Amino acid sequence: AQKVTQAQTEISVVEKEDVTLDCVYETRDTTYYLFWYKQPPSGELVFLIRRNSFDEQNEISGRYSWNFQKSTSSFNFTITASQVVDSAVYFCALSIYNFNKFYFGSGTKLNVKP
Amino acid sequence: DADVTQTPRNRITKTGKRIMLECSQTKGHDRMYWYRQDPGLGLRLIYYSFDVKDINKGEISDGYSVSRQAQAKFSLSLESAIPNQTALYFCATSDHNFNRGETDTQYFGPGTRLTVL
Repeated sequence: AQKVTQAQTEISVVEKEDVTLDCVYETRDTTYYLFWYKQPPSGELVFLIRRNSFDEQNEISGRYSWNFQKSTSSFNFTITASQVVDSAVYFCALSIYNFNKFYFGSGTKLNVKP
Repeated sequence: DADVTQTPRNRITKTGKRIMLECSQTKGHDRMYWYRQDPGLGLRLIYYSFDVKDINKGEISDGYSVSRQAQAKFSLSLESAIPNQTALYFCATSDHNFNRGETDTQYFGPGTRLTVL
C-alpha cells in the first residue's frame, strides 16, 4: 500500500527565516514519482516539482530546495529566506510509475509573518 | 488562457438537487481526474479516466458519477446532493506520453467550491 505522511500540520515562521517541510512516504514499488504542490490562499494547486525514484540528486530552484533520500523514504522541501508570499498549504504526493494514481499527504500549512 | 478550466467556480445548492461540475483542458492530456478536498484531509480521488472509453472509481466514488465526453472534457455529477458533499472539487489532467518528459505529473484546475445546504 502507498502512503504519504506530512507530520507537520502547521508551521509559523517570521519572514527571512528558513523553513523545512517534511514528507515521508511508503511504497513497495521500486519505480515511482514524488511531487510537491503549493496551494495559496486563493485555492488553486500549483505544481512545484517532480522527482523520480532513480534520481536522488537534490534540486534547487531559487529559494526552494528539495532533499530526496530513499534510505529514509523522505522528500523534504526547504524554503530559504521565507517571504510572506510563501504562506500557503504545501502538499507532498506519491505516484506509482505507469499507474498514475496520486497519493497525497494531508498538507502542511505554512504561515510566514512579516 | 488556463490549460485546465472548471465550471462553475462556485455553486450553492440544496439537498436533493442534481449538480454537474464540468472540466475542460487544452493540454492535450489523455488522463483526467476528479478530487475533493476537505479541511485537514488533503485531496481524495473520486474518479479517474485514462481515455474516453475508460472510467475508474477512486477511493470515494459513492454518491458521484462521471462522464468523459471527449478527450478534453470530464464532468462530475452529484445525482442527489447532500450536505456532506460540501467541499472544494478539483479536476486534474496528466500525460502518459513519455516522450514529452512530463509524464505522470498532474496539473490541476482552479477548483469548484460547492456548498450543499
